[in-house]
This record gives sequence, structure tokens and C-alpha cells, in this order.
Amino acid sequence: KAGVTQTPRYLIKTRGQQVTLSCSPISGHRSVSWYQQTPGQGLQFLFEYFSETQRNKGNFPGRFSGRQFSNSRSEMNVSTLELGDSALYLCASSRTLGNYEQYFGPGTRLTVT
Amino acid sequence: EDQVTQSPEALRLQEGESSSLNCSYTVSGLRGLFWYRQDPGKGPEFLFTLYSAGEEKEKERLKATLTKKESFLHITAPKPEDSATYLCAVQASSTDKLIFGTGTRLQVFP
Repeated sequence: KAGVTQTPRYLIKTRGQQVTLSCSPISGHRSVSWYQQTPGQGLQFLFEYFSETQRNKGNFPGRFSGRQFSNSRSEMNVSTLELGDSALYLCASSRTLGNYEQYFGPGTRLTVT
Repeated sequence: EDQVTQSPEALRLQEGESSSLNCSYTVSGLRGLFWYRQDPGKGPEFLFTLYSAGEEKEKERLKATLTKKESFLHITAPKPEDSATYLCAVQASSTDKLIFGTGTRLQVFP
């Protein structure tokens, strides 16, 4: 059974640009959550999607947004990038909403210069 | 405020030297406590879920326990391949969000 996949794996962007990251969950998993991981703050919850609707949101500014498609694949977008957005962005999938027996992808390493 | 604290930040063990990692938490209603393992350059790997005080779960050399204020991850006779960062997370019933600790970086030397 294929795991969670994330694309791209690495990304370098300039301040002020925007970026879109993609996540394909495990087959049969309908909930997708996004996290930001940095050395200083650790893993922080961004948002959770289920049935194409955002069901839960962390404490991040509105520059961070996401969406989920009918096949459960998800994208997250960060607009007007700042240096502090440099981080590993992790996607995790689970079978149902609020089920945190989650399976993580390898992450997208975003560097903002 | 919901909070998760893990200790120690780093732990160096000789192969076969058993030890425990600690995860203490303050949440307004615990829905679940989760342990993950993360290897460098990879996403976290799910290990255990604990739901109520007194519950225990085991997997190979790992055993997780839960009390009303903390959880322990006991590692018995560790091997070098157990080297990783171990993350603890709690799901608060008030917000339903997952709150992670900053992890314990474990190194096991042969």
C-alpha cells in the first residue's frame, strides 16, 4: 500500500513570492492535515481537511491556506512568503476526521531567501 | 493553555542500556496521547495511541504508559536502529487539535 506522497520535496523561493505544495494521502484515507516543522517551534498544526472542507485550523496567518479535492488529495498555499516561512511542511493522512493515528509524508523542505 | 513538554531534549545510551522518555502535558480534556518516531529527513512515523490513565501499549522494545499528567516511553535494551527523535502529541477535547512536544533526540551507540 503506497504511503503519503508530497511534491515537491525541496523548494527555494524568494520573499514575496507564493508557493503551492501538494499532498496525496494513503488510498482510502479521507482526512488530510498539514503541519509546519521548524527547529525552534517543532511541529505546529496548520489545518485539517475532510470531505473537501477545512474542519480545523491552527494559529497561522491568512497567508496560509489550503484545499482538498474530491479524491482527497490536498494542496496548501503560502502567499507573500517571508523568511520565517522556511520550514519542513508535512502532510499527514488518516481514515476519518479527528483521527490522529496519522501517517505522514516525507515533507516538503521550503527555503525562503 | 494546552501544553506538551518532553524531557530530556537529548539522550545518549549504550546499546542494551534501558531508559525512559517523558512527556508531560496540560490540556483541557485529553482525547488521546500519541507517540511518533521521526528519522532525519523523514516524516514522523506513528507508534502508539493512549486514551486513558493506566493504559499501556507495547511494540518490540518500546512500551508506552499513560497517567493523568504524563506519559512515558520505555525503551528496553535499545539497539542503534532505535536512534531517532521521539515525538509526543496530545489531542485536546476542547479544540480537537494535535499539539506536539519538541521531541527527545535519542542516540544509541554500539
